[in-house]
Amino acid sequence: AQRVTQPEKLLSVFKGAPVELKCNYSYSGSPELFWYVQYSRQRLQLLLRHISRESIKGFTADLNKGETSFHLKKPFAQEEDSAMYYCALTSGTYKYIFGTGTRLKVLA
Amino acid sequence: SAVISQKPSRDICQRGTSLTIQCQVDSQVTMMFWYRQQPGQSLTLIATANQGSEATYESGFVIDKFPISRPNLTFSTLTVSNMSPEDSSIYLCSVGASAGNTIYFGEGSWLTVV
Repeated sequence: AQRVTQPEKLLSVFKGAPVELKCNYSYSGSPELFWYVQYSRQRLQLLLRHISRESIKGFTADLNKGETSFHLKKPFAQEEDSAMYYCALTSGTYKYIFGTGTRLKVLA
Repeated sequence: SAVISQKPSRDICQRGTSLTIQCQVDSQVTMMFWYRQQPGQSLTLIATANQGSEATYESGFVIDKFPISRPNLTFSTLTVSNMSPEDSSIYLCSVGASAGNTIYFGEGSWLTVV
C-alpha cells in the first residue's frame, strides 16, 4: 500500500539544537518526495522537494531509496521553525499522499 | 505561486444540511484539487476538479456526497451534502503549479457539524 509515515506527532527541541523530522514511505515505483510546512495561522506551503536538492531556511532532506526515507534536517533550530511539518509523495501526477504531520516546537 | 482564496474560512453547520465551499484562484490553472483533513489526521485527496467535465473522485468519495463544480479555470466549488458530525473537517482547495508537481493550497475551510 502507498503510505507516508511520520512517526512523531510532536518534536520539541531547544533553540540551537539539531532537528530531524522523520519520514518513511511505502511506494512501488519512483515517487517524488516533498516537505510542506504550516506556520501558525498560515496556509500549508511547500518547504522543499527532493528533486531540487536545495536547502530552504536551513532545512535539507535527502531521499534514501534503500531505507525509503526522506528525513528533514536542520543543524541549528530557530524559534521561527516552530510549525507543523508534513511529508508527502506523489507519483508525478499532482496526486499527493500526505503523512500525518509532525509538530515541531523550538524552545527558547 | 497562485493566490488561492477560499470561502467560508469557518462555519458551524447543522447535521443534515449542505454547505458549498468556494475556491477562487488569481490565475488560470489546469489542475485543481480538493482535500480533506479530519481532526488529528492527514490530508486526503477527495477529487480532482476538471474544467468543463465531471470531477474525478478518489476511492471512498462519491459525487452524491461531495458534488464539485469547475465552471472555468479560476474557480471551483465543493459541496458537502447531508452533513453529519463525521464531516467535521478542514477542506482545502489546491492547485497544481505550471511546472513540476508542486501544489499550492488555499487557507482551508474549517467546518464543524453539530
